[in-house]
Parts: sequence; structure tokens; C-alpha cells
Amino acid sequence: QKEVEQDPGPLSVPEGAIVSLNCTYSNSAFQYFMWYRQYSRKGPELLMYTYSSGNKEDGRFTAQVDKSSKYISLFIRDSQPSDSATYLCATPPSGSARQLTFGSGTQLTVLP
Amino acid sequence: GAGVSQSPSNKVTEKGKDVELRCDPISGHTALYWYRQSLGQGLEFLIYFQGNSAPDKSGLPSDRFSAERTGGSVSTLTIQRTQQEDSAVYLCASGRGSPNEKLFFGSGTQLSVL
Repeated sequence: QKEVEQDPGPLSVPEGAIVSLNCTYSNSAFQYFMWYRQYSRKGPELLMYTYSSGNKEDGRFTAQVDKSSKYISLFIRDSQPSDSATYLCATPPSGSARQLTFGSGTQLTVLP
Repeated sequence: GAGVSQSPSNKVTEKGKDVELRCDPISGHTALYWYRQSLGQGLEFLIYFQGNSAPDKSGLPSDRFSAERTGGSVSTLTIQRTQQEDSAVYLCASGRGSPNEKLFFGSGTQLSVL
């Protein structure tokens, strides 16, 4: 079982829509989660991180963690064409590893 | 530098040739990671360097892959006897070496093996 699974997409929405991007993770000990955004032909960049359960809001973006179901979500309100990118969830290192584990990414297109 | 720099941005090679990919991390960052991203796939961890410690090579897919980091700064990923399945984007990231830290990625090297 992969440590993190992500809805594959691709996802296409009209401008102004609310977008929901989701991942599930396997290790109940995880406390810290990240969302990276990757524009075409660029490297990923950190968008948001959350610690433990609950919501974290930053402008139009909300990251949510549900530890009971091991489910993490990223919501984008009032989506814009500039939000078109691939969104990757990431879980922290576990065991002796020091590297983040990334989901496969969801490609989002916001149509003007 | 302003960010993580990778070169070349694109590399086309013939099957069986060796390739070298370069990464210049952000100045002062002690941690350096190599990831591979195949089409439609997530980031696959390859190797991790932290300061002067022995690198974590647990993600390297075969002995054709190797990497070094000279002087705690620039890193080179070498793929020997390239195969078509090696075609992917190779991403380098650097950080300060703290747990759960933010990673800064380069734009990657798109490797195409014909």
C-alpha cells in the first residue's frame, strides 16, 4: 500500500468554481501534511501545510485534515485560470527516511 | 543564488549512453534531494544528502544510478547505460535540513532516452 494516494484527475472546472482536491494516507502517526503546486515545466512549490487535524486557511485556499479517516483535502474558492497546475499532497518522513512522500498529483485546469 | 538551478533543462540521449545531470542548491542549504517524476506519476525519491553525512541512497532504482555532492554544494546525478524507462523529469530540491521543512525545487531536467 502506498503511503499516500491521490485522486488522479485530471480535473477541469469553470472559473469561479470551488475546487476540492483529495488524498488519503496510510500512517496514522502522521501529524504534518503539505500541499505543493507545480506549474507546467516548473518544479513544485510549497502552497500550504497543516499540522494535526482541522482546517488551515490562506486566502482562497483551505487545507483540511481528517485524521479519523486519514483524509486530507485542499479547497480552492473562486478558482482562477492562474490556479491551473498540478497539485501534489505530501506526507512527512517516516521510520528512518528523511524524505517527503508525494502523491501522484492532480492536474487542475480552470477554464476562463 | 536566487533559487535551485538545474542543468541542462532538456537532455536527449541514445539508449546505452551515460548522462550527467547537475544541481546547484540554494546557498547555505545543507540538505539536497533528487526526485524523479514520470508522466502522470508523483515524485519518486532517489537520493538524499545532508551535510557531511553518508547519503541516503535507498531510492536509487538500480546500480546504473549514482550521485555525488561535492563540497557540500553542487550535486551531480549520473545515469549509466541509459534505458528508455529512464525517460522522466529529474528534480532536485534543497532545504535547511530540518524535519518537515519546506523544500525548494529546481525546474528539473527533462531526460528523453531514444
